[in-house]
Amino acid sequence: NAGVTQTPKFRVLKTGQSMTLLCAQDMNHEYMYWYRQDPGMGLRLIHYSVGEGTTAKGEVPDGYNVSRLKKQNFLLGLESAAPSQTSVYFCASSLPVEGAEAFFGQGTRLTVV
Amino acid sequence: DAKTTQPPSMDCAEGRAANLPCNHSTISGNEYVYWYRQIHSQGPQYIIHGLKNNETNEMASLIITEDRKSSTLILPHATLRDTAVYYCIVRVPFYNQGGKLIFGQGTELSVKP
Repeated sequence: NAGVTQTPKFRVLKTGQSMTLLCAQDMNHEYMYWYRQDPGMGLRLIHYSVGEGTTAKGEVPDGYNVSRLKKQNFLLGLESAAPSQTSVYFCASSLPVEGAEAFFGQGTRLTVV
Repeated sequence: DAKTTQPPSMDCAEGRAANLPCNHSTISGNEYVYWYRQIHSQGPQYIIHGLKNNETNEMASLIITEDRKSSTLILPHATLRDTAVYYCIVRVPFYNQGGKLIFGQGTELSVKP
C-alpha cells in the first residue's frame, strides 16, 4: 500500500495563477482532509470531506476550493494564488471511527511569488 | 476548540527516556489526545493516542492525568532518529468538523549523543 500520496511535491506559482493539488489514498478511507503548515506552526485545517461528493470548510478555507469526485481522491484548488498561500500543504485520510489514526501524505511545498 | 500547550524545545541524551509534557486544560470529555511527530517537515507520523487511560505501544507510552487536563509522552530509550518536532493534538469527535486534529506549535526534541 502506498498510503496517502500527494502530487506535486514542489511548485512555484506567480501571483494570480491557478493550480490543483492532488491527494490520493488507497486505504478506502471515507474521511479526507487538507491542512496547511506555515513556518514554525502546527497544521491548520483548510477543508475536509466525509465521503465521495461531499466537502466542508475547515478553519482557514478562504482562497481554496476542493472536490471529492472519487472516494480515493481529494483535490485542493487555488483559483488565484496569493503570496499568503505560500505554505506546505498536507493531505490526510482516516476511517470515521473515534480513536482511529489519521494518515498523512508527504506534503506539497508551494511558493507563490 | 481545545488548545494544547507544549514547551517549544527540549533536549534528551541518547539512550535516556524523553518525557514530553502537554497541557490541554480545555479538552472535552469525548475528545482524544493524539501525539504525532514530524521529521524535517515530512508528513506527520502517528505515535500514540488515548482518551482516559494510559496507553503503551512499541514506540511510546502516553500518560494522561486523571482530570485529563495534561498528558506526557514518554519515549523510553531515545535515539538520534527520534530528533523531531512532537505535536500534542486534540482530536474532536467526527460530528464536529469531521474529527479534525487540532495542532499546537509542538516541541522540538533534540536527542544528543
